[in-house]
Amino acid sequence: EAQVTQNPRYLITVTGKKLTVTCSQNMNHEYMSWYRQDPGLGLRQIYYSMNVEVTDKGDVPEGYKVSRKEKRNFPLILESPSPNQTSLYFCASSLKVYREQYFGPGTRLTVT
Amino acid sequence: AQSVAQPEDQVNVAEGNPLTVKCTYSVSGNPYLFWYVQYPNRGLQFLLKYITGDNLVKGSYGFEAEFNKSQTSFHLKKPSALVSDSALYFCAVITEGNFNKFYFGSGTKLNVKP
Repeated sequence: EAQVTQNPRYLITVTGKKLTVTCSQNMNHEYMSWYRQDPGLGLRQIYYSMNVEVTDKGDVPEGYKVSRKEKRNFPLILESPSPNQTSLYFCASSLKVYREQYFGPGTRLTVT
Repeated sequence: AQSVAQPEDQVNVAEGNPLTVKCTYSVSGNPYLFWYVQYPNRGLQFLLKYITGDNLVKGSYGFEAEFNKSQTSFHLKKPSALVSDSALYFCAVITEGNFNKFYFGSGTKLNVKP
């Protein structure tokens, strides 16, 4: 089944404790992206990747890192999480940037 | 700066009536426009897109949208709403000038009452 998977689905952590949210797609998509969803703000793009080893900042990259060493994986790293990073995070992928994106199920992160 | 506006936080419509969810955009360059739907506790699902060509675009589940360049709008429509259409709808845009970054609207909650 074609899908985007994210892990974990739920995470409660404390300020400053490094964490990684994994994202994987099995559709050989070139474009991958991370978003955060906050009430009243819609989705905001954190980072995106046009292909392997090609990543760039979205609208709200501060406090996040990403890597794209393999085409299928695009992990999101929070080196030192802070409470303002409490949010619902979505990973998405598409064959090309102008094609429809497939979204993962989301990761709800709480930083205390 | 590029932006997308969804002026209505919520739209209420009776089942069987037509529905419209509004979206306007502000971009430099030609826009590529998308609509996505989010059901509770789920990720977003693609509905339709406008890249070029016919201004009226048809998508999934009977939805359609009309690209209006002069009004910089891309409103989502459906002739006859279903209760199962109740969800959160997002408009999104990328542009030829800034092809890689997506901008989403704040979302519109559609409530369809029986």
